[in-house]
Amino acid sequence: NAGVTQTPKFQVLKTGQSMTLQCAQDMNHNSMYWYRQDPGMGLRLIYYSASEGTTDKGEVPNGYNVSRLNKREFSLRLESAAPSQTSVYFCASNGSNQPQHFGDGTRLSIL
Amino acid sequence: GEDVEQSLFLSVREGDSSVINCTYTDSSSTYLYWYKQEPGAGLQLLTYIFSNMDMKQDQRLTVLLNKKDKHLSLRIADTQTGDSAIYFCAESIRNDYKLSFGAGTTVTVRA
Repeated sequence: NAGVTQTPKFQVLKTGQSMTLQCAQDMNHNSMYWYRQDPGMGLRLIYYSASEGTTDKGEVPNGYNVSRLNKREFSLRLESAAPSQTSVYFCASNGSNQPQHFGDGTRLSIL
Repeated sequence: GEDVEQSLFLSVREGDSSVINCTYTDSSSTYLYWYKQEPGAGLQLLTYIFSNMDMKQDQRLTVLLNKKDKHLSLRIADTQTGDSAIYFCAESIRNDYKLSFGAGTTVTVRA
């Protein structure tokens, strides 16, 4: 019973590099989300996908792109990483009338 | 998020009760959540309450909701060292929709 799986768990990038954070859920959930967590600011929503084939911007979408590859997978891409994107990134998912379940996070440092 | 506010720190003696407070501004908030985050881990859903309820109890956890004042609290009875964590308050207009989080309250349990 894996739940929400995020890869990688840790990553260090140089400014300007690109990378994709992966998220997969095995609970047959329709909705998936990407948040970032910064000290003293709680979690802020970057993008979400209410169903397969749809994506919407959240509170802090600039500098990110997402892909809802299929019902299970929702990826987050940084095209040109900046130090301001150093953060812990969480993926979450939920089904109809259910609360969100979170992955363990990806800790990303950009030098 | 700016719509949900929590105090940042709480120190409590082992065996005492902890009370974590949260206020929210969005009158359309329908679901209110408490999540727990242990060091280096993801967010674990503790409990949630629907806005037509005043109170919800689950073992050592009691959630109180004052909808008029938009105030939510989480009481942990007989606080243990394992309760040391960051506790996030969150709100949503639906149970399967995006969440707005508070900054989190770091609870430290001292012997």
